[in-house]
Amino acid sequence: DSGVTQTPKHLITATGQRVTLRCSPRSGDLSVYWYQQSLDQGLQFLIQYYNGEERAKGNILERFSAQQFPDLHSELNLSSLELGDSALYFCASSAAGTSNYGYTFGSGTRLTVV
Amino acid sequence: AQSVTQPDIHITVSEGASLELRCNYSYGATPYLFWYVQSPGQGLQLLLKYFSGDTLVQGIKGFEAEFKRSQSSFNLRKPSVHWSDAAEYFCAVGSPSGGSYIPTFGRGTSLIVHP
Repeated sequence: DSGVTQTPKHLITATGQRVTLRCSPRSGDLSVYWYQQSLDQGLQFLIQYYNGEERAKGNILERFSAQQFPDLHSELNLSSLELGDSALYFCASSAAGTSNYGYTFGSGTRLTVV
Repeated sequence: AQSVTQPDIHITVSEGASLELRCNYSYGATPYLFWYVQSPGQGLQLLLKYFSGDTLVQGIKGFEAEFKRSQSSFNLRKPSVHWSDAAEYFCAVGSPSGGSYIPTFGRGTSLIVHP
């Protein structure tokens, strides 16, 4: 157990729907990072939150959004889902605002869009 | 922009044999370099990291990596592979982005271990 908790582990939904993925960072970590892992794109950085505020943005689609709450858990919202959004979504956390010392990853949410 | 290349998609070794996984990076300044391992159905776990100083870094599970600036490489090695080392290995280079440092990951190398 890495200490980073992601729920749900699996999610199957239809095209056009909206889903919310949840992440609780390791105790004491202030930063949360979201990644998408797919066979064709590899591991792609989506977005980082640090202590409730957006810190860095990567290849995140406009249909996707995220937030970090006062208790530091984070949610990734995916809307108007398309078949191509099927992927593993990972959350990672780090103690500070930088990931220079490495991340701690959760075990991921596997999203299947049908 | 930084980039990471892992030239080998798959590597097959026999248990007990030595291992070297290759990683080449492209980044203008001194990079922050990482190796992560991903077991099936799991998230990525940090094996080791390099920031500065000694170019040979030791990690967990008996792994080590050597930073060679002249070759822009950060290869991962292990002297004797165990069957439990079968997994996907990712090299990453960290660089600044909007006040943060976000690693760029390679596409990964899948390690297969034969008994």
